[in-house]
Amino acid sequence: GAVVSQHPSWVICKSGTSVKIECRSLDFQATTMFWYRQFPKQSLMLMATSNEGSKATYEQGVEKDKFLINHASLTLSTLTVTSAHPEDSSFYICSAITPGKGYEQYFGPGTRLTVT
Amino acid sequence: AQSVTQLDSHVSVSEGTPVLLRCNYSSSYSPSLFWYVQHPNKGLQLLLKYTSAATLVKGINGFEAEFKKSETSFHLTKPSAHMSDAAEYFCVVSDRGSNSGYALNFGKGTSLLVTP
Repeated sequence: GAVVSQHPSWVICKSGTSVKIECRSLDFQATTMFWYRQFPKQSLMLMATSNEGSKATYEQGVEKDKFLINHASLTLSTLTVTSAHPEDSSFYICSAITPGKGYEQYFGPGTRLTVT
Repeated sequence: AQSVTQLDSHVSVSEGTPVLLRCNYSSSYSPSLFWYVQHPNKGLQLLLKYTSAATLVKGINGFEAEFKKSETSFHLTKPSAHMSDAAEYFCVVSDRGSNSGYALNFGKGTSLLVTP
């Protein structure tokens, strides 16, 4: 149990376009989901925290109008990168927690975004 | 906020020899600490976690870590390295004091190389 999926696993988009990444908890209801960003050979940096039905909480320095997060249900959160630029190219990873599983974070496999 | 410092960015060991990956934490109260492993182009996998129970924590694949409050350390060890252990390892602390609730703060990572 406790599987988190992400879709797509890999996406290429042109500069100026928007791209949506989905994060789903497949076999549990996630009260909270987190979005992380990982640059090549670097650590994960928390971007934002989203709770179902409420606005996401963004970390300092993360543009909320550029990285739109929607946690519409207890099993789905989406991250939309708007007006993407090459510097947005990165590995985006989501995780999910639920009280029923002791608040342990379960990570998705990640989405590699390349902006050309 | 709580944080972790991984003391080595790269560690190289021979197959069959012991592994030691060092991590120190900074916390104003009793932390929850984790070790995650990330294989190339794969998602994060939880190796083990410490949540104020036994100070010696056993994880998967023969890994274990010892929480030492006096030294503020949580080093990861394994008696005998396998080639399949080559990966990136992250020491992580749960930042319960942040606005992000149960968000995780990642160390910068240690790249483990295992040579034949």
